[in-house]
Amino acid sequence: QKEVEQDPGPLSVPEGAIVSLNCTYSNSAFQYFMWYRQYSRKGPELLMYTYSSGNKEDGRFTAQVDKSSKYISLFIRDSQPSDSATYLCAMSAPYSGAGSYQLTFGKGTKLSVIP
Amino acid sequence: EAGVAQSPRYKIIEKRQSVAFWCNPISGHATLYWYQQILGQGPKLLIQFQNNGVVDDSQLPKDRFSAERLKGVDSTLKIQPAKLEDSAVYLCASSLRRGQGEKLFFGSGTQLSVL
Repeated sequence: QKEVEQDPGPLSVPEGAIVSLNCTYSNSAFQYFMWYRQYSRKGPELLMYTYSSGNKEDGRFTAQVDKSSKYISLFIRDSQPSDSATYLCAMSAPYSGAGSYQLTFGKGTKLSVIP
Repeated sequence: EAGVAQSPRYKIIEKRQSVAFWCNPISGHATLYWYQQILGQGPKLLIQFQNNGVVDDSQLPKDRFSAERLKGVDSTLKIQPAKLEDSAVYLCASSLRRGQGEKLFFGSGTQLSVL
């Protein structure tokens, strides 16, 4: 079992739809949970990050973390064609020596928002 | 604010040849990362520098990959000799500090094709 599982899609939705993207994980040591957006031929850019269980909202985006179920979600409301990209979940945990941590990415879900 | 600069954008080589990638992080960012992203996968950390010292190179194939960060600013990643399985996008990222909640800024990457 991989540490982080993410359905690669592709996911295609009409403009204005609510999008739900999800990741599951197996490592209980993960402490920070992030969502990165990656446009074609570009590097990932941080969209949102959370530390604890619960919801965090930023404009049309809501990140949700359920540590008891080891499950994180990203919701996009009123989706726009400009949201078409690959969405990567990422999680970090302390690693070996003091002060070190390891960031583990999911495979990414490719999203297309159709006008 | 200028972003993370990487060059070249694309590189095509034959197996057993050598190749080098260059990265200039955001000014003032102490931590620099090299990630490998194989098509359809999330980025995988190869090496992490704090200023000009290596913090984590546990996933770097040291028999063929090497990296340096002279003077704690620019960095180069080298592959010698290249194998077919090294075909991937090599992403450089930087962050202001080292820590779990730190925001990583990625460059656009170098796409390497090994024939």
